[in-house]
Amino acid sequence: DAKTTQPNSMESNEEEPVHLPCNHSTISGTDYIHWYRQLPSQGPEYVIHGLTSNVNNRMASLAIAEDRKSSTLILHRATLRDAAVYYCILRENTGTASKLTFGTGTRLQVTL
Amino acid sequence: DTGVSQNPRHKITKRGQNVTFRCDPISEHNRLYWYRQTLGQGPEFLTYFQNEAQLEKSRLLSDRFSAERPKGSFSTLEIQRTEQGDSAMYLCASSHPRVDQDTQYFGPGTRLTVL
Repeated sequence: DAKTTQPNSMESNEEEPVHLPCNHSTISGTDYIHWYRQLPSQGPEYVIHGLTSNVNNRMASLAIAEDRKSSTLILHRATLRDAAVYYCILRENTGTASKLTFGTGTRLQVTL
Repeated sequence: DTGVSQNPRHKITKRGQNVTFRCDPISEHNRLYWYRQTLGQGPEFLTYFQNEAQLEKSRLLSDRFSAERPKGSFSTLEIQRTEQGDSAMYLCASSHPRVDQDTQYFGPGTRLTVL
């Protein structure tokens, strides 16, 4: 499985943008980049995913480098409810089901 | 619209007892996954089903663990002769290849404590 590298932790002030980086230098052409987050005592929550182009949804934006070896999850205005562990995951898109391989993620702390 | 549900949410048992967890996926999803998460770690894949067929099992799934999905809807995960090392959060997820590009949606998990 292709691997990702994320910082262990990051801090942000409330109402400010947050950029969560992820390196995936061994990404293959068929890998989608998925982001999940996990709030305390809850299951992982899907945030966003993309292949090559930048993506936006109501939760966040995903910026993907042109060579696809890195990506950044952008939370435009962090709130206290965004405090969670954020996981960057590569997932093969081969048409068959594939497991998600989680790392240890980035723990985001949001302060007032 | 209901998401993935798991029961029970918490289970405390004594070492050596058997436990069974249930997962109800999102209704139109034909793929169902089980993961296990220990404290401070990300979830680890255990097994997955497509409809009623169990198609992949992790080496983490020892012979004390068994999972079923008899009618291709809900699934159960049973752990026999529990050990303290089985204490973890057990997570279920579901997906469909034609829905959201097969994105997996997770349930709230079942937290198992083995005393």
